[in-house]
Amino acid sequence: DAGITQSPRHKVTETGTPVTLRCHQTENHRYMYWYRQDPGHGLRLIHYSYGVKDTDKGEVSDGYSVSRSKTEDFLLTLESATSSQTSVYFCAIPRTDNYGYTFGSGTRLTVV
Amino acid sequence: AQSVTQLDSQVPVFEEAPVELRCNYSSSVSVYLFWYVQYPNQGLQLLLKYLSGSTLVESINGFEAEFNKSQTSFHLRKPSVHISDTAEYFCAVSDTGGYQKVTFGIGTKLQVIP
Repeated sequence: DAGITQSPRHKVTETGTPVTLRCHQTENHRYMYWYRQDPGHGLRLIHYSYGVKDTDKGEVSDGYSVSRSKTEDFLLTLESATSSQTSVYFCAIPRTDNYGYTFGSGTRLTVV
Repeated sequence: AQSVTQLDSQVPVFEEAPVELRCNYSSSVSVYLFWYVQYPNQGLQLLLKYLSGSTLVESINGFEAEFNKSQTSFHLRKPSVHISDTAEYFCAVSDTGGYQKVTFGIGTKLQVIP
């Protein structure tokens, strides 16, 4: 949807390397979310942010960190990538009507 | 905390046949309920939502879902499916306070067979 973009769309990286995924929004929303999608698990919340420099953990936060230095950008970092972090990562913001989310197009990350 | 159970991981159905995708939720507080659809290699799109009021909600492409509080269910139905409905469908729940965190089910893959 317009208003939220993720980069890169695809990335292959080696085990042990750091990786940063970017989510950018133009809707000026206070809240932003990072999910990962895996077969058999659906979408699981990694971290979320409720304002600049205000973040909190989700249900699968181990091995991930986030930063939010500007309202429009929410970064997800894998400090030392592992094969178990191979996944599709989605960023989301609240919808305009504040019920439910608008999702980015996702980042497909492969850790080899 | 909330949880969502989607009872079927895959549902094959012939074109023009009816379909029901099942969803049950658990929550100790009032909830909003959602169905999202994900077409191949795309992000999730909101299909329909239940917030309050009428327990039957409809989407623009012929899907409907009914909120049943006593059975804690929010099943998705369509009376006649098309090939273009082939996708993965996610049921989701959130609490009703502030900017809600949404909890998703594991998804149901709907495969429409010509």
